Amino acid sequence: AQSVAQPEDQVNVAEGNPLTVKCTYSVSGNPYLFWYVQYPNRGLQFLLKYITGDNLVKGSYGFEAEFNKSQTSFHLKKPSALVSDSALYFCAVRDGLRRGYQKVTFGTGTKLQVIP
Amino acid sequence: NAGVTQTPKFRVLKTGQSMTLLCAQDMNHEYMYWYRQDPGMGLRLIHYSVGEGTTAKGEVPDGYNVSRLKKQNFLLGLESAAPSQTSVYFCASSYPTGNQPQHFGDGTRLSIL
Repeated sequence: AQSVAQPEDQVNVAEGNPLTVKCTYSVSGNPYLFWYVQYPNRGLQFLLKYITGDNLVKGSYGFEAEFNKSQTSFHLKKPSALVSDSALYFCAVRDGLRRGYQKVTFGTGTKLQVIP
Repeated sequence: NAGVTQTPKFRVLKTGQSMTLLCAQDMNHEYMYWYRQDPGMGLRLIHYSVGEGTTAKGEVPDGYNVSRLKKQNFLLGLESAAPSQTSVYFCASSYPTGNQPQHFGDGTRLSIL
């Protein structure tokens, strides 16, 4: 069974400092990994994905994520946090080896609070 | 482009009442999904559909039914609402290829008294 762990319920960071939101995963085949962001009273919005290729993936709003196969991690990063980055962040995984419909498993979310 | 549209945005029901949540997408996506979001539990898949006229159960299907009579619409029904179904419900859609993200609506906030 596949799973996603986001070990931190909340991450606090000062505006202008680098931020990291952690995600580890477990999947039987090659992972397809996604990050989504959720602002209050809104649905999830896609930020970036890792399918194959470079381990460093760049996405929307200056975010990037580093895929580490040996550590089964896909941490979300940004060099300089903005107050407007404050939101709930979800990591998700799918088994990339299998064709057809495959379930996407979401983490429980990490609340990012950027302090002015 | 509206993307994924959910109606209603808010609803309060009494225990035992029924209702239908509506989801419409204008991206010609094959796959559609219904999730519920509860504090500390992330997103849990209720039902999904891989095409018009087909539906399947997700992780937490009990107490819900769905229909997809048209490709662009996916309906979620509660036949007899229970307080445990108080939640925020999200509809999503995607292309069938696994490397594509899901697109979400803004949710329906449902309270069952």
